[in-house]
Amino acid sequence: DAGVIQSPRHEVTEMGQEVTLRCKPISGHNSLFWYRQTMMRGLELLIYFNNNVPIDDSGMPEDRFSAKMPNASFSTLKIQPSEPRDSAVYFCASSLRRVRAGELFFGEGSRLTVL
Amino acid sequence: AQSVAQPEDQVNVAEGNPLTVKCTYSVSGNPYLFWYVQYPNRGLQFLLKYITGDNLVKGSYGFEAEFNKSQTSFHLKKPSALVSDSALYFCAVRDTTSGTYKYIFGTGTRLKVLA
Repeated sequence: DAGVIQSPRHEVTEMGQEVTLRCKPISGHNSLFWYRQTMMRGLELLIYFNNNVPIDDSGMPEDRFSAKMPNASFSTLKIQPSEPRDSAVYFCASSLRRVRAGELFFGEGSRLTVL
Repeated sequence: AQSVAQPEDQVNVAEGNPLTVKCTYSVSGNPYLFWYVQYPNRGLQFLLKYITGDNLVKGSYGFEAEFNKSQTSFHLKKPSALVSDSALYFCAVRDTTSGTYKYIFGTGTRLKVLA
């Protein structure tokens, strides 16, 4: 099994640039989560999709952040324009909604540095 | 609101000694509790979960966790620590009240196993 695949693994960009992070969940999983990890704030849930539909985006920090899931096998998290405080590791995770308390499967993360 | 707390930022233990990483929870209803491990520059990996049944849950890599309803705790344990167990450990609870199927993570505990 390929697991959750994220790209890019590392991204360095300048303030004001657009950043797009990509995620391919595990085949057959119907829930997808985007998390952000920083030293100061730990692991924060940004947005969660179920069957490609955004269910809860209350964790999205501001309008500069947007996420889409056009189909069951692909999701993007976009930051436009990026700011230095967006520097973090962004994780995508997927799970099988039908399983009661199914565990999350995480990707390896995308480390974003905004200069 | 449902939450988990990890009271220790870091736990140090000598190799071969038993280890405990603490987690307490606050939920309404039946808790669905999880432990995850994160190695440097990697995503989180599922270790074990409690849904119902036996209070002692066994998981990957020789870890186990004890669910204690009266103390609202779910401590992670291992009888004999290995240097390779050194990592960041997260306790998590699945939010069953908001209807959004969210997973809420603790702040993490860094485990250092000393040779």
